[in-house]
Amino acid sequence: DAGITQSPRHKVTETGTPVTLRCHQTENHRYMYWYRQDPGHGLRLIHYSYGVKDTDKGEVSDGYSVSRSKTEDFLLTLESATSSQTSVYFCAISALLWYEQYFGPGTRLTVT
Amino acid sequence: EDQVTQSPEALRLQEGESSSLNCSYTVSGLRGLFWYRQDPGKGPEFLFTLYSAGEEKEKERLKATLTKKESFLHITAPKPEDSATYLCAVQSTFDNYGQNFVFGPGTRLSVLP
Repeated sequence: DAGITQSPRHKVTETGTPVTLRCHQTENHRYMYWYRQDPGHGLRLIHYSYGVKDTDKGEVSDGYSVSRSKTEDFLLTLESATSSQTSVYFCAISALLWYEQYFGPGTRLTVT
Repeated sequence: EDQVTQSPEALRLQEGESSSLNCSYTVSGLRGLFWYRQDPGKGPEFLFTLYSAGEEKEKERLKATLTKKESFLHITAPKPEDSATYLCAVQSTFDNYGQNFVFGPGTRLSVLP
């Protein structure tokens, strides 16, 4: 299995609180991604990174920011969480952009 | 806008009963089509990449094929452990800040013993 961990695995937070999710990889892959998965919508791309300090927006980036200060870590921040951001968040990595992505175990986030 | 649909939404098979899952896509120009498997409570697991019409890939009881408009995931003599949600995703040739990579909604497969 690809070495990808996500933390925390579960989180409950209140509306308006900032939240940071962490993705850590040990594969030294250049590309990292954040997705959210919701019933009826499938997997949707939030942001992705193509190198240290190089990131770009995905389909559903509003309300989210990311940072990548080291190859192995990709952080997803919800500046002020809303109930619509209740979801399961997956991080993925790949050696080539979009190709053969390997996913982490996911973080279940509930915003009350 | 790139679109990916999958059918059926859910499929129940008896063990050993072969069938196919469909992934239809509308993209400006296909660069790659990907199949993933997702077990409940876990992240998707990569299965195949297909690049051009006519291409086929196999892994155990699974075979993926590709035409200009759709891809099929054929499951031969399935076993209960093949039960999962199967996702397809497509990458198009026009790079539009991430909009060129799209997942389909998935097919939920149940294989009964």
